[in-house]
Amino acid sequence: AQKITQTQPGMFVQEKEAVTLDCTYDTSDQSYGLFWYKQPSSGEMIFLIYQGSYDEQNATEGRYSLNFQKARKSANLVISASQLGDSAMYFCAMKANSKLTFGKGITLSVRP
Amino acid sequence: KAGVTQTPRYLIKTRGQQVTLSCSPISGHRSVSWYQQTPGQGLQFLFEYFSETQRNKGNFPGRFSGRQFSNSRSEMNVSTLELGDSALYLCASSPIFGTQETQYFGPGTRLLVL
Repeated sequence: AQKITQTQPGMFVQEKEAVTLDCTYDTSDQSYGLFWYKQPSSGEMIFLIYQGSYDEQNATEGRYSLNFQKARKSANLVISASQLGDSAMYFCAMKANSKLTFGKGITLSVRP
Repeated sequence: KAGVTQTPRYLIKTRGQQVTLSCSPISGHRSVSWYQQTPGQGLQFLFEYFSETQRNKGNFPGRFSGRQFSNSRSEMNVSTLELGDSALYLCASSPIFGTQETQYFGPGTRLLVL
């Protein structure tokens, strides 16, 4: 069975600073994908970044980067230069055996 | 390219009624998945359809069902609604089934059961 753990209850960051959102996962599958989604108060899940289990380099998408440490089974999201619009819930997810499993999510609040 | 669309966006029903939610995937996407999101349980996988066939199913009672049409549009149905079915129902599409294709989500349907 797959499991995603996000233990940070809530995060605060000052505008323009960087922030790291933690995610650990557990799976017995060798092939899997790791995803981060953002969910603003409107409810829509917005895809941010993807990392494949066989990718040797950390994924980057604009201000988002994924710090992938396979041996530690962690896939932390780093947001650089935070903006007020980054305030939202952030979900880490893993896809293995065609099933997408989500963590509980982390609330990020960006202060002006 | 238009994103995933879901209708209706908001719905109020009473216990015992049934409801049908609709999802239109991104053009060219053939796989559609459904999720239920509640404050208590978080995001839970309901089922996934590809080529009009259910490929995966989550741990939900038989009151929850779905189908996919030849144009890849999907519907999910909940019969005999219970108060606990109040949730945000999210639909996601991806180009194909399986692998690690990214799923793109729609805006969701907020269902309130009274």
